[in-house]
Parts: sequence; C-alpha cells; structure tokens
Amino acid sequence: DAGVIQSPRHEVTEMGQEVTLRCKPISGHNSLFWYRQTMMRGLELLIYFNNNVPIDDSGMPEDRFSAKMPNASFSTLKIQPSEPRDSAVYFCASSKYTPTVNTEAFFGQGTRLTVV
Amino acid sequence: GESVGLHLPTLSVQEGDNSIINCAYSNSASDYFIWYKQESGKGPQFIIDIRSNMDKRQGQRVTVLLNKTVKHLSLQIAATQPGDSAVYFCAEAIIQGAQKLVFGQGTRLTINP
Repeated sequence: DAGVIQSPRHEVTEMGQEVTLRCKPISGHNSLFWYRQTMMRGLELLIYFNNNVPIDDSGMPEDRFSAKMPNASFSTLKIQPSEPRDSAVYFCASSKYTPTVNTEAFFGQGTRLTVV
Repeated sequence: GESVGLHLPTLSVQEGDNSIINCAYSNSASDYFIWYKQESGKGPQFIIDIRSNMDKRQGQRVTVLLNKTVKHLSLQIAATQPGDSAVYFCAEAIIQGAQKLVFGQGTRLTINP
C-alpha cells in the first residue's frame, strides 16, 4: 500500500481565496483524521470521521473550515476564505478501528499551506 | 520541516546513551496510548503503543511505561543513535463513537556524537 496520500504537498495562496486539501486514506481503514500543526499549537485534531461519518468536529477552528468524506477512499478539508493565520502544515491520518482492537493511525506527508 | 522551530521541551543525549522522554496525559478515560516520532519534513510515524490495562511494553530498543495513578507515560530509548534525533509525541486514544486520537506537546530529542 502507498500509505496515506495527501495533495498538494505545498500550497501558496492569497488571503481570501478558497483552499482545498485532499486526502486518500489507506485502503481498508475506516477512520480518518485531519490535524493541523503549527509552532504555537503543535498537533491539533481538527475533525475525525468513522465510516465516512464525521464523529467530532469540535477542533475545527471556525466556520471557514469544512471537511467532507464522500466515500471511504477520499476526504477534503476546505478553507474559505483563507487567512494568513491559517498557514500551517495540515496532516491527514487513517486507522482501522474496531471496538475490540486498537490500531495506530498512519499519517500522510502533510500539506504545507502558506496564506499571504 | 514541520517540526523545525517548534518551541518544544528539548532533550540532548550522547550517542549510545539511553534516553527517557516523558509525557503527562489528561483524560483518565483514555483507553490506549501511542508514541510517535516525527522527523523533519515528514508526518508522525508510529513507534510503540500500550493499552490502559498494561503498565509496560517493550519493543526493539524502546520501552513504554504507563503510570495511570499519576497519568504519566514515558518512552525509553536504549543505546541512542543519530537516527533517533526527532520530535517525539505521545498520543492518547479516547473511545468516543470511534477512536479519537489526541496528541501531546512533543519533545525534541537531539543526539550528540
């Protein structure tokens, strides 16, 4: 398996523009996580899905952020409109969760977002 | 990379020495704990995990200790090598509809030659 695949690897955009980050989880995994990493806040959990359903989006900073998972092999994180303070590295991770078995999450390489 | 510049606790050890990285967690209901390693420019990578009903688990050159009484987790790395230089995160998994994975602050480990 190629692992968790994120695109793009780098994104530079102007303030006010819409940004869409993409993630393809590992095949067979049923949980997907979006994290944001910054110098000040470290790794923050934004939202996570189980079986394509959002379970907890309490980490999403504002209404400008939205995430979708239309099927088991694809998820997007959208920021509209983007602001300079959104600049960070955004990670997607996936895991296989069952009530009786814990498994680790596997991370993608991240998308480095710069909003100017 | 992503972790460069983070204002993290830092641990410096001599190559070949053992290192201990500590982590305090907050939720007594956490079911499962994991240590991750993040190298510059990469996403976090799994090192070792431990369930809440255990107090110790060993892997290759690594040992994780869990003290639920004081909500403390540690990662011991034996005979450190230059490749061990990275940022180390502990994460706690909370069962909440599914498995919610929350990360701690991270510790930067530097191996001196």
